[in-house]
Amino acid sequence: GDSVTQMEGPVTLSEEAFLTINCTYTATGYPSLFWYVQYPGEGLQLLLKATKADDKGSNKGFEATYRKETTSFHLEKGSVQVSDSAVYFCALSPDSGGYNKLIFGAGTRLAVHP
Amino acid sequence: GAGVSQSPRYKVAKRGQDVALRCDPISGHVSLFWYQQALGQGPEFLTYFQNEAQLDKSGLPSDRFFAERPEGSVSTLKIQRTQQEDSAVYLCASSLVDEAFFGQGTRLTVV
Repeated sequence: GDSVTQMEGPVTLSEEAFLTINCTYTATGYPSLFWYVQYPGEGLQLLLKATKADDKGSNKGFEATYRKETTSFHLEKGSVQVSDSAVYFCALSPDSGGYNKLIFGAGTRLAVHP
Repeated sequence: GAGVSQSPRYKVAKRGQDVALRCDPISGHVSLFWYQQALGQGPEFLTYFQNEAQLDKSGLPSDRFFAERPEGSVSTLKIQRTQQEDSAVYLCASSLVDEAFFGQGTRLTVV
């Protein structure tokens, strides 16, 4: 079945460092891909998405490119801030059913220190 | 309210008790989803409603789990005869087109 694998955390960085969180997926057809973020004490929020191969999603300085050849959707940010500390979830929505049922990875906790 | 509201935020149940978890979606959102999130894991799909119709219940782990959305708005997830493995955060999400908006979840602890 469809699945998402993302790098284990926690990831600990200093402020202004470069961030990469790896995400790979297994799916039939052409899924849509998402990154969700969960800040402490808050619900899951959509960070960015891409719906077809080679699309780049971007938001708040984060970006990820849908790479069908490597079945990947790695999250990157050039300069992280303390406020980016959160848990990040990679997810896919299968190419079927007509509704956006989400399959999530296990999440990666990011801690950014001043 | 502007967002998805879930209640209660926390629930402690003795093993064998029945529980009911409520979700108030964003007004006008046709689609409603329930997910289960175990500690340290990502959310796992439980069930999907389009208005009042439950179109996908493939993720419900057993027949002790039951969900309803009788008027196409508020939804209730019911768990009968709770067991320790049911301890998790239960998330509700609603959407109109493609973006899903999540509530803060209900943390269920079965003791």
